[in-house]
Amino acid sequence: AQSVTQPDIHITVSEGASLELRCNYSYGATPYLFWYVQSPGQGLQLLLKYFSGDTLVQGIKGFEAEFKRSQSSFNLRKPSVHWSDAAEYFCAVGARGNEKLTFGTGTRLTIIP
Amino acid sequence: GAVVSQHPSWVICKSGTSVKIECRSLDFQATTMFWYRQFPKQSLMLMATSNEGSKATYEQGVEKDKFLINHASLTLSTLTVTSAHPEDSSFYICGSSTDTQYFGPGTRLTVL
Repeated sequence: AQSVTQPDIHITVSEGASLELRCNYSYGATPYLFWYVQSPGQGLQLLLKYFSGDTLVQGIKGFEAEFKRSQSSFNLRKPSVHWSDAAEYFCAVGARGNEKLTFGTGTRLTIIP
Repeated sequence: GAVVSQHPSWVICKSGTSVKIECRSLDFQATTMFWYRQFPKQSLMLMATSNEGSKATYEQGVEKDKFLINHASLTLSTLTVTSAHPEDSSFYICGSSTDTQYFGPGTRLTVL
């Protein structure tokens, strides 16, 4: 069965500092991987996705993620966070892009001045 | 592109009544639509998967007679919570998918 682990429940980062959110997955075949962001009371917005090809993918809002098959990881990074990045971040894995996703438990990001 | 809307965004109803939530993909045709439930400070829990013109596939433990899903077209799916009770109060989110799943803004249901 597929699963996603986000080991960090809550992360606090200073504005302007770099960020890395961890995501590890378990999947028997080639995974389709996603990062979504959710602001309070809102739906999920797609930040980026990995289907195949270059293992370093660029997303919106200055985010990037790197797929490492050997480590079963798909960590999300941003070189310099902004106060508006404060939100809940979810990593997800699926069989194909249009099939159901398995979500991690999420990481809540707090930004301090 | 890839905009998904949900209506209503917020609804309060009395116990025993039914509530319908609409999910529309506004600028694309979705081969598959998904309905999720989210409890406060928790992740999304998939309730069901639906394809246009087919019966929905419900996840284990989800009552199909209570949560009725209709997928009338490639751009519209509805979730009806029948005979709602306070324990059905939650945040419901739909996902519309082509090769990537895009999400609606969610509907907060409060059952009194």
